[in-house]
Amino acid sequence: GQQVMQIPQYQHVQEGEDFTTYCNSSTTLSNIQWYKQRPGGHPVFLIQLVKSGEVKKQKRLTFQFGEAKKNSSLHITATQTTDVGTYFCAGRSSNTGKLIFGQGTTLQVKP
Amino acid sequence: EPEVTQTPSHQVTQMGQEVILRCVPISNHLYFYWYRQILGQKVEFLVSFYNNEISEKSEIFDDQFSVERPDGSNFTLKIRSTKLEDSAMYFCASSVRPGTYEQYFGPGTRLTVT
Repeated sequence: GQQVMQIPQYQHVQEGEDFTTYCNSSTTLSNIQWYKQRPGGHPVFLIQLVKSGEVKKQKRLTFQFGEAKKNSSLHITATQTTDVGTYFCAGRSSNTGKLIFGQGTTLQVKP
Repeated sequence: EPEVTQTPSHQVTQMGQEVILRCVPISNHLYFYWYRQILGQKVEFLVSFYNNEISEKSEIFDDQFSVERPDGSNFTLKIRSTKLEDSAMYFCASSVRPGTYEQYFGPGTRLTVT
């Protein structure tokens, strides 16, 4: 079945350093979404990428969708303590509602 | 801002017992989902529901599970005979439509099976 792999599993950074998490799918995706889950919280939608090669920015966050629509990345510039949490990518292989989540990358930021 | 609500926030049950987890999706949303997250692990899709029927389900969603929309607002997940491995956080989500629309997640119900 379709699998979505995400690396790294954990990342500890000093406040101000950059952070990147990578997502790879075993199949071509129709779109990919990114969610953030704070400790003890629920997934909160961040963004969706649909087009091949798409790049979107939200302040310090940059999201990319690969040309082949099988991989994606999230890059945070100059991390802050408020960025702490687990970042999940979630892919769809068709236009159904089913999201296949990656394992998530847990970000810890040391002040 | 409208939000998905779930009750209870925490449910403790004994192995073999039936549990019903309840969700109130956002009112103008038509598609509803249940996901499961075992502690420290990824979010796993269980089932999607539209127009009063299941539209898709995963391998996890076996005969022990069922979903229902008993009235115009609630969406429930029933586990008939709970097992220890059913202990997890269960998230309900809803969206206006499937496909390219974002899903709004509820706060979750933590199910503990003893």
